[in-house]
Amino acid sequence: EVKLVESGGGVVRPGGSLRLSCAASGFTFGDYAVGWVRQAPGKGLEWVCGISWNGRTIGYAGPVKGRFSISRDNANNSLHLQMESLRVEDTALYYCAKVDGELWGDEIDYWGQGTLVIVSS
Amino acid sequence: QSVLTQPPSASGTPGQRVTISCSGSSSNIGSNTVHWYQQLPGTAPKLLIYSNDQRPSGVPDRFSGSKSGTSASLAISGLQSEDEANYYCAAWDDTLSSPEFGGGTKLTVL
Repeated sequence: EVKLVESGGGVVRPGGSLRLSCAASGFTFGDYAVGWVRQAPGKGLEWVCGISWNGRTIGYAGPVKGRFSISRDNANNSLHLQMESLRVEDTALYYCAKVDGELWGDEIDYWGQGTLVIVSS
Repeated sequence: QSVLTQPPSASGTPGQRVTISCSGSSSNIGSNTVHWYQQLPGTAPKLLIYSNDQRPSGVPDRFSGSKSGTSASLAISGLQSEDEANYYCAAWDDTLSSPEFGGGTKLTVL
């Protein structure tokens, strides 16, 4: 059974930092692209960033480019998101997402339950 | 603003057939495949349709997808109360070089 378990969410002040993690199991993690999708309270889904199976191809959505950094550890089946210079508008539930392919442009076939990030003064 | 446009709401009665549209452009739907996700209240999204019209294992054949030009549609036949959810379309956008989601459609079963 595929499982994606996020951690690291919390409350942070504007300008602060946070590191999210996602522990993956139930599939060969190193064979697939993974990424992060967020959902602000009461709003729709927004793709945040993605990383290819080998970590060599990475992409970020415009609003987070230069502030967020995605990485993966295939040896430990984990995905990370380092978030810097956080803004109030980054407040959202952050989902870890497994892509059904080597690159992050394919469909997301599994989602975690999400970890909540609240940016507030 | 999403580059993929969905109606914010849709509704139907049990047993009815409803369709949800997703309108894009030549840089996304026009040149790439469309996927659909279902998000039940308080839960994570779930893949419903991929590559325009393919159903993952376990998804009832009441759900079907289609694509024509720069638009796509999700059809739900034999509507059931448990279909009440938010539905999102998604497609890769060649101009933005990123996957894009539609704004979502809230389906209400009357």
